[in-house]
Amino acid sequence: KQEVTQIPAALSVPEGENLVLNCSFTDSAIYNLQWFRQDPGKGLTSLLLIQSSQREQTSGRLNASLDKSSGRSTLYIAASQPGDSATYLCAVSQGKLIFGQGTELSVKP
Amino acid sequence: NAGVTQTPKFRILKIGQSMTLQCTQDMNHNYMYWYRQDPGMGLKLIYYSVGAGITDKGEVPNGYNVSRSTTEDFPLRLELAAPSQTSVYFCASSYIGLGNSPLHFGNGTRLTVT
Repeated sequence: KQEVTQIPAALSVPEGENLVLNCSFTDSAIYNLQWFRQDPGKGLTSLLLIQSSQREQTSGRLNASLDKSSGRSTLYIAASQPGDSATYLCAVSQGKLIFGQGTELSVKP
Repeated sequence: NAGVTQTPKFRILKIGQSMTLQCTQDMNHNYMYWYRQDPGMGLKLIYYSVGAGITDKGEVPNGYNVSRSTTEDFPLRLELAAPSQTSVYFCASSYIGLGNSPLHFGNGTRLTVT
C-alpha cells in the first residue's frame, strides 16, 4: 500500500531564506507526482506536476525534483517571502492521487 | 472562468439529517472528484467521475452518494449524517485523469455533524 510522508509537519524560516520541503513515498511505481499549495480556508492550488520520466520541474522561484528509485521528491523555494506562507502538500498518482499530510510553512518578515 | 465552485461554504447538521454538497465547474473537464480532509491528514478520495453518467467509488465512499448528470455538476449526497462525517469537503476537476493533468480545487465546504 502506497504511503506518502511529509516531514517536517511545520517549518518556520526568516524571509529571504532558501528552503527545501520533503516528500517521500513507499512504492516507486507512480505515474507522476504533484505539489500543491493550500492557504487557510481555501482549496488546493496545483504548483508543479512531474511525470515519472522527468527529474525536475521549475516554475518561477519553485523547483521540484523527483527521484523515483529512492522514493523521494523535494520542493525547493528560492528567496522565500511572507506570501509563501501556506501548507504545501505532495501527492503521487497510481491511478488515483495519494496525498501526504502536508508541511505548514511560515515565512517571517 | 470561475473554475470550481462549491456551495455551501459552511454547514452544521444534526445526526441523521441529510444534505447535498454542490459542485460545478466551467472548464469543461471530464474528470471530477470529491475529497475529504481531516485535521492533520492528507486528502482522502470519496468518489470520482470520468464523465457525465459515469461515477466510481474512491477510498472512503461509505455514507455518501454521487451523481453526474452533466459535465459541469457533480453533487455529493450525505443521506444519514454521522459525527464521523465532520470534515472539510473538496471538489476538484481535471482535464485528464490518473493525475496526469493538474487538479483544480474548489474552496471547500466545512461540515460539522453534532
